[in-house]
Amino acid sequence: GIQVEQSPPDLILQEGANSTLRCNFSDSVNNLQWFHQNPWGQLINLFYIPSGTKQNGRLSATTVATERYSLLYISSSQTTDSGVYFCAGLIKAAGNKLTFGGGTRVLVKP
Amino acid sequence: DAGVTQSPTHLIKTRGQHVTLRCSPISGHKSVSWYQQVLGQGPQFIFQYYEKEERGRGNFPDRFSARQFPNYSSELNVNALLLGDSALYLCASSLARLAGLSTDTQYFGPGTRLTVL
Repeated sequence: GIQVEQSPPDLILQEGANSTLRCNFSDSVNNLQWFHQNPWGQLINLFYIPSGTKQNGRLSATTVATERYSLLYISSSQTTDSGVYFCAGLIKAAGNKLTFGGGTRVLVKP
Repeated sequence: DAGVTQSPTHLIKTRGQHVTLRCSPISGHKSVSWYQQVLGQGPQFIFQYYEKEERGRGNFPDRFSARQFPNYSSELNVNALLLGDSALYLCASSLARLAGLSTDTQYFGPGTRLTVL
């Protein structure tokens, strides 16, 4: 079936550490986005990144569409970075429905 | 500008009851999508509406239905509630007709947390 796999599933960081989150797609993907879900459930757009690299403050993302993966980098992590990070994309074989991965649960300790 | 709004924020129902969830998109957005997020999982696509027409449907039973109004707000209805319908229901709005256009970005509301007892 159509799969969006995120790794690692859980991540515990010390404040100030850097980390890389990965998202793999089982089929060609469009409209790839990264989201952060806070403890209250609100999904916040981080990046719309169908290809290439983008940076926003301490966060950056890279998508290699031809190889069906995307990476999210968190540098100098802060406790407010805690939450669940989701990638999502439109997978053609899934009828262009936005398909989410299972998420990476990040806990940044002070 | 206001973001996507949803009501109610929390809801408790019993099995067999019916529920209606409401969503108002960002001003100027004509597309609304609904997602179900079960605890510990990523959101699952339920419906997309554009210009009051259904443009996409996920793998959900016919107990789930939705509609979009002329002002682009939307309702999600669930009949004959089951325990497994307990979840966070998220609404997202976007500018594009189909979420396949290169400029489309989904903006999510705060969600409605439904508990079925």
